Amino acid sequence: QSALTQPASVSGSPGQSITISCTVIGSDFVGDKFVSWYQHHPDKAPKLMIYEVAKRASGVSNRFSGSKSGNTASLTISGLQAEDEADYYCSSYTTSSVVFGGGTKLTVL
Amino acid sequence: EVQVVESGGGLVQPGGSLRLSCATSGFDFSNYEMNWVRQAPGKGLEWVSYISSGAALIYYADSVKGRFTISRDNAKNSLYLQMNTLRAEDTATYFCARETFRYGMDGWGQGTTVTVSS
Repeated sequence: QSALTQPASVSGSPGQSITISCTVIGSDFVGDKFVSWYQHHPDKAPKLMIYEVAKRASGVSNRFSGSKSGNTASLTISGLQAEDEADYYCSSYTTSSVVFGGGTKLTVL
Repeated sequence: EVQVVESGGGLVQPGGSLRLSCATSGFDFSNYEMNWVRQAPGKGLEWVSYISSGAALIYYADSVKGRFTISRDNAKNSLYLQMNTLRAEDTATYFCARETFRYGMDGWGQGTTVTVSS
């Protein structure tokens, strides 16, 4: 079974940097580079932030960056701002499905 | 500007059916793959179904296989999800999202809410 594991919550103060991890479990995922990150504010449309592990989607601030080491992908947000408070999801692909991580709630203190 | 608008949600009894629609504009719909993704109350995002640009490839999550049918009408720039034999656990907000290959879903609607309850 293929799964992506994220911490349930992270927090940081304005101006600080935080990192959200996404651990890939299972061998059914296709390739190493198809990891995406989404930001989701309640009652809004989810927004693609990062695709192919480290590429920023159109219009996304350069405060958001992605990386991957071994079986763990990471989303780093630098210079935290109040508007960054949201749920963040990683996702990847098997040959016949899309898998989302369980989501991480980011709280800006 | 990419626009994606879901509709068709509502209250339905267990065992009932519902058809969701997703109207799009601002991009060449026929060139994009599309997905349905849902979020149950208090839960995370869950992928539901995928359809390729020409509808040749279709995939479903195990949780909906055999009950849901995804389809598209490229002439109408629209995506659909026929949901049959609905269960309480299908209660969720359903999002329509466009995708390019495996480079992420870069256009989402605000969702339509489905409630399955007697």
